[in-house]
Amino acid sequence: AQSVTQLDSHVSVSEGTPVLLRCNYSSSYSPSLFWYVQHPNKGLQLLLKYTSAATLVKGINGFEAEFKKSETSFHLTKPSAHMSDAAEYFCVVTSRDDKIIFGKGTRLHILP
Amino acid sequence: NAGVTQTPKFRVLKTGQSMTLLCAQDMNHEYMYWYRQDPGMGLRLIHYSVGEGTTAKGEVPDGYNVSRLKKQNFLLGLESAAPSQTSVYFCASTPGTAYGYTFGSGTRLTVV
Repeated sequence: AQSVTQLDSHVSVSEGTPVLLRCNYSSSYSPSLFWYVQHPNKGLQLLLKYTSAATLVKGINGFEAEFKKSETSFHLTKPSAHMSDAAEYFCVVTSRDDKIIFGKGTRLHILP
Repeated sequence: NAGVTQTPKFRVLKTGQSMTLLCAQDMNHEYMYWYRQDPGMGLRLIHYSVGEGTTAKGEVPDGYNVSRLKKQNFLLGLESAAPSQTSVYFCASTPGTAYGYTFGSGTRLTVV
């Protein structure tokens, strides 16, 4: 069965410093992987997706993620955090039976 | 604008009352999903549909029923609401699980 684990429930970084949000997945096949962002009291917006093409995926707002099959990881990074990046981030994996499975989320705090 | 529309946006129910949440999409997507979001739990799949006339159970289906009589609509029903069903409900759709998902803006339901 597919599963996804977000290793940190909260991450705090200073504005202008790098961001790293960690995600590990478990899958018996080659899944599609996604990162979504949810700003307070808002819906979910797609940041980026991996679907077996390039392993380094670039998304919106300067975010990118690298798919590492050997480590079963799909960590989200950004070189320089901005105050507007404060939100909750979800790592998502597809399953063979057409379900989409969410991690429990990482709340990103940006310190001035 | 094309997308996923959820109605209503807010609702307060008394224990034992029934209601139906409507999800409508105008993108001709085959797959539709209902999730609930609770603090610290991420999004959990309630039911989903891979095409008109089909439905399947997700992770937390108890207490909910669904119908997909028309391709563009996916209805979520609560027959006898319980306080444990207080949550934010999100609907999503996709043409296929590798493409990413479009989410509605959510329905905030409180059961008292």
